[in-house]
Amino acid sequence: AQSVTQLGSHVSVSEGALVLLRCNYSSSVPPYLFWYVQYPNQGLQLLLKYTTGATLVKGINGFEAEFKKSETSFHLTKPSAHMSDAAEYFCAVRPRTGGGNKLTFGTGTQLKVEL
Amino acid sequence: ETGVTQTPRHLVMGMTNKKSLKCEQHLGHNAMYWYKQSAKKPLELMFVYSLEERVENNSVPSRFSPECPNSSHLFLHLHTLQPEDSALYLCASSQSAVSGWDRGQETQYFGPGTRLLVL
Repeated sequence: AQSVTQLGSHVSVSEGALVLLRCNYSSSVPPYLFWYVQYPNQGLQLLLKYTTGATLVKGINGFEAEFKKSETSFHLTKPSAHMSDAAEYFCAVRPRTGGGNKLTFGTGTQLKVEL
Repeated sequence: ETGVTQTPRHLVMGMTNKKSLKCEQHLGHNAMYWYKQSAKKPLELMFVYSLEERVENNSVPSRFSPECPNSSHLFLHLHTLQPEDSALYLCASSQSAVSGWDRGQETQYFGPGTRLLVL
């Protein structure tokens, strides 16, 4: 069975600093990988996804993530944090074969951006 | 994001009440989902409908009853809920292949959720 681990339930950065949110997956075959963001009192919004091809994926709002098969990781980064980035971020995986279109989510990382 | 809408946004109900949550997608998708989001827990997939047919039911108690009358609408009927059912209920939709939905790349788009409090 697949699982997703997000290290750090809370991350705090200064405005302008690098954002790094960690995600590791466990499955025998690399899955499809997703990052979603949830702003307060809102649903989840897709930031980016990796399905195939280039392992560095660029998403919305200046975020990007790199799929590293050797490390079973899909960490999310942004070079310079903005106050508006404060939200909860969820990593999710979906198997490439079988299992239907079922997402398995991590427990989320709350990002706080300080002045 | 207005592609997937949910009503009501907030709901307070007693354990003996019956209520329904509504989800509508305007994206032309063929698959719809109900998720439960509780504090400090990963999102839990509850139900999946593909082409209006239920294809997934993740051991959800019978006090939750889904309904998908067409590909644009999804309901979650609630009755005799428990306080531990208080959570944010999220609806999502995605495109699926007509001949089968196991292609793997269909992105799920989420609604804003209904915040449910059971007293």
